[in-house]
Amino acid sequence: RKEVEQDPGPFNVPEGATVAFNCTYSNSASQSFFWYRQDCRKEPKLLMSVYSSGNEDGRFTAQLNRASQYISLLIRDSKLSDSATYLCVVKAGADGLTFGKGTHLIIQP
Amino acid sequence: DTAVSQTPKYLVTQMGNDKSIKCEQNLGHDTMYWYKQDSKKFLKIMFSYNNKELIINETVPNRFSPKSPDKAHLNLHINSLELGDSAVYFCASSQEGMNTEAFFGQGTRLTVV
Repeated sequence: RKEVEQDPGPFNVPEGATVAFNCTYSNSASQSFFWYRQDCRKEPKLLMSVYSSGNEDGRFTAQLNRASQYISLLIRDSKLSDSATYLCVVKAGADGLTFGKGTHLIIQP
Repeated sequence: DTAVSQTPKYLVTQMGNDKSIKCEQNLGHDTMYWYKQDSKKFLKIMFSYNNKELIINETVPNRFSPKSPDKAHLNLHINSLELGDSAVYFCASSQEGMNTEAFFGQGTRLTVV
C-alpha cells in the first residue's frame, strides 16, 4: 500500500520559533516530493518542491533522504500567518499525488 | 482569472439523488484529477484523466464516474448518493512530468442528508 505518514500534531509554537515537520513514504518508486499548505476550508497550495540535494525558499528549508524515505520541512522565524496544515506529498510515475494526512501548525503570539 | 474552477461550491442533497460537480482549468494542463477530503481531512485521489484517458481509478464505488468532454474539463457524476459521500471534493490539474505543481480548485462541499 502506498502511504505517506505524518505526525498530525497540532504543533503549538510561539511566534519567532523554529519548527520542523517530518514525513515518511512507503513507495520506493516515488520520484517527486512536495510540501503543500492547506488553510482552513481552503484548497491545498504548493509550498515548495523537495529536491534530493535539499532546497531553501526564504524561511523554509526542505530535505529529502531517499535511502530512509524521509522528507522534512523546517520553518525558521515562524509568523502568525504560517498557521496552517502542512501536507507531505509524493508522486510516482504517472500516479497522481499521494498526500499525507497533514500536520497542523498553530503559531501563537 | 481562476486557474481551476469548480461548481458548485456547496451542494446539499438527499440520499439517493444523482448529482454532478463541474471542473474547468484554463492552464492548458494535460492531466486533471478528482480528490476527496473526508471529515478527518485526509485527501485521497479518486480519478486522474490524461488527454481524455483515465489513467488512475482508485477503488471508488462505481456510483462515481468522471466525464471529460475535452482536455480542459473533468466533471464528476455521482449516482445514488449515500450519507458517506459527504466530503469536500477537489478538482486539480497539472502538466505532465516530474516536479510539476498541481493546482487545485476551491473545492465542493457535498452534504448528503
